[in-house]
Amino acid sequence: QVQLQESGPGLVKPSETLSLTCTVSGGSIDNNYWTWIRQPPGKRLEWIGYIYNGGTTRYNPSLKGRVTISLDTSKRQFSLRLNFVTAADTAVYYCARERGGDGGYDLLHWGQGTLVTVSS
Amino acid sequence: DIVMTQSPASLAVSLGERATINCKSSQSGLYTSSNKNAVAWYQQKSGQPPKVLIYWASNRESGVPDRFSGSGSGTDFTLTISSLQAEDVAVYYCQQYYRTPYTFGQGTKLEIK
Repeated sequence: QVQLQESGPGLVKPSETLSLTCTVSGGSIDNNYWTWIRQPPGKRLEWIGYIYNGGTTRYNPSLKGRVTISLDTSKRQFSLRLNFVTAADTAVYYCARERGGDGGYDLLHWGQGTLVTVSS
Repeated sequence: DIVMTQSPASLAVSLGERATINCKSSQSGLYTSSNKNAVAWYQQKSGQPPKVLIYWASNRESGVPDRFSGSGSGTDFTLTISSLQAEDVAVYYCQQYYRTPYTFGQGTKLEIK
């Protein structure tokens, strides 16, 4: 059974870097699309991006190059870094995994989510 | 980006009655090479992560009650709950995973009348 758990600071100052980690238990860490999604308060879900096998990444252009997703297979973790945050980045951040291992699938497995607030 | 537009924004239905949620894509033909529509439906209850109900537009996820069904093709997709139960109160989202950035509808809040 695949389980995902987000961890990281719940409060980040404006202009600083948001860093979150997702720890994966169960299933294979290889050959899967590991994804970050966020949900600002009262707004729709927003796809941030994914990483596949440590080398292939795809990001949402709306984040204008501020985002990096990395994968540490030895720790069974993948991470999100979002630079130069503003109040607009305040959201519940979810880590998730696509259903299939060759890309272009729905999100079958989700973490519980973690609220990150950007405020001084 | 492909824009997914849901209607209605909120819906109140009596217990045992049918609930229908619509989702319209800004791009037609979300077909994959295997001729499947890359659209999913998620249910999000308060304080919980989304849970997939329907994938490939009409495939019901294992363990999801058969009162939930998905249909549609082209630009128009529908989630139907045939007989509303109290535990179905939630926000429902459609999503396209045909092309990145994958995008979601704005959500439909379903309540009991």
